[in-house]
Amino acid sequence: LAKTTQPISMDSYEGQEVNITCSHNNIATNDYITWYQQFPSQGPRFIIQGYKTKVTNEVASLFIPADRKSSTLSLPRVSLSDTAVYYCLVATVVNDYKLSFGAGTTVTVRA
Amino acid sequence: ETGVTQTPRHLVMGMTNKKSLKCEQHLGHNAMYWYKQSAKKPLELMFVYSLEERVENNSVPSRFSPECPNSSHLFLHLHTLQPEDSALYLCASSQEAGYQDTQYFGPGTRLTVL
Repeated sequence: LAKTTQPISMDSYEGQEVNITCSHNNIATNDYITWYQQFPSQGPRFIIQGYKTKVTNEVASLFIPADRKSSTLSLPRVSLSDTAVYYCLVATVVNDYKLSFGAGTTVTVRA
Repeated sequence: ETGVTQTPRHLVMGMTNKKSLKCEQHLGHNAMYWYKQSAKKPLELMFVYSLEERVENNSVPSRFSPECPNSSHLFLHLHTLQPEDSALYLCASSQEAGYQDTQYFGPGTRLTVL
């Protein structure tokens, strides 16, 4: 089961790029990396998913190096509404269904 | 709105009470999940159901009893809980119980055990 480690918190200002790195040193071959965003009093919401190299969608980019032992979520030009907790998830399904959510990174965006 | 609803949103219960949490998904998904989210701790996966069959039980105490009568509904029956069970309980669903399937979460039930 791949354990994930993320920074506890990060501060930023509106318009800046925020990069959050998640470490998953014992990631398995079949594991995908998924990032979720959670606002207070709400459930987590899917942001982006990747297996290797780079993935980009309309809200974020995900960078995964060749060894896949870490991944970096990049939020371009953040706004106040991006203040939330961001979770890195590594999931494996082989014979057992296992999930490993990180402890989450609280991102605070200031004006 | 994620298409996953949970009731009640808040619940206060004594240690001797029996209560149930309800989750309903309107997405046509085949997999449903229960998570526990305690303050300052990672999300903990409790149970996974795929096509109404339980496929994972992450060493959850027997005072938590899940039920999945069909692929759209999931219950968590609670009895003789402890104060340390106070947490946010989240339900999620995905198309399949696969490692790359996006999970859609409900808003959660905030449970307080007195």
